[in-house]
Amino acid sequence: DTEVTQTPKHLVMGMTNKKSLKCEQHMGHRAMYWYKQKAKKPPELMFVYSYEKLSINESVPSRFSPECPNSSLLNLHLHALQPEDSALYLCASSPSTGRGSHEQYFGPGTRLTVT
Amino acid sequence: QKEVEQDPGPLSVPEGAIVSLNCTYSNSAFQYFMWYRQYSRKGPELLMYTYSSGNKEDGRFTAQVDKSSKYISLFIRDSQPSDSATYLCAMSRRDDKIIFGKGTRLHILP
Repeated sequence: DTEVTQTPKHLVMGMTNKKSLKCEQHMGHRAMYWYKQKAKKPPELMFVYSYEKLSINESVPSRFSPECPNSSLLNLHLHALQPEDSALYLCASSPSTGRGSHEQYFGPGTRLTVT
Repeated sequence: QKEVEQDPGPLSVPEGAIVSLNCTYSNSAFQYFMWYRQYSRKGPELLMYTYSSGNKEDGRFTAQVDKSSKYISLFIRDSQPSDSATYLCAMSRRDDKIIFGKGTRLHILP
């Protein structure tokens, strides 16, 4: 089973709201990723967790705060977002950040609209 | 020069035709080469990956890597309307992040 699940599917939030995106995988993968994708663009890497520790932060603004409570779960906490942050937020997992980092499996994404 | 170049299309072909999708790249250190399929408003789906040069076949899909030319291809045989999607090439060095192409929008005409 190569399934990564994400909730919610859609989210509309105001610029003063706080919300969280959730991601779950049960493939035993030890690396998890957050990507942001704008329309007609490729995914852009935001964060990488390896063995539940943050290993890469691609200079993402602090209004995005990732969290990895355990090896199967990944959250992205959102606060004081801007309208330009509206996008499809994708979670992915891979067997590792070493040899397996190229083999990434994506979830369906959360479509976020900031009003 | 961008690290990965991919023609955005759209590419329209009749049902049953062979589709050829391509990417070029500039970084000779890339070792892994992937193809993802993304339907509208969905997450990317890993179709195939190849390590170094050579061919790999999976059903109607064949991936080719030519490292000497820095050129990769995905062929789809007997194309179906359900193959209509955006196809993203991607590549990486070991232990490094994936670099995606911009994606090619493919339309299979019934």
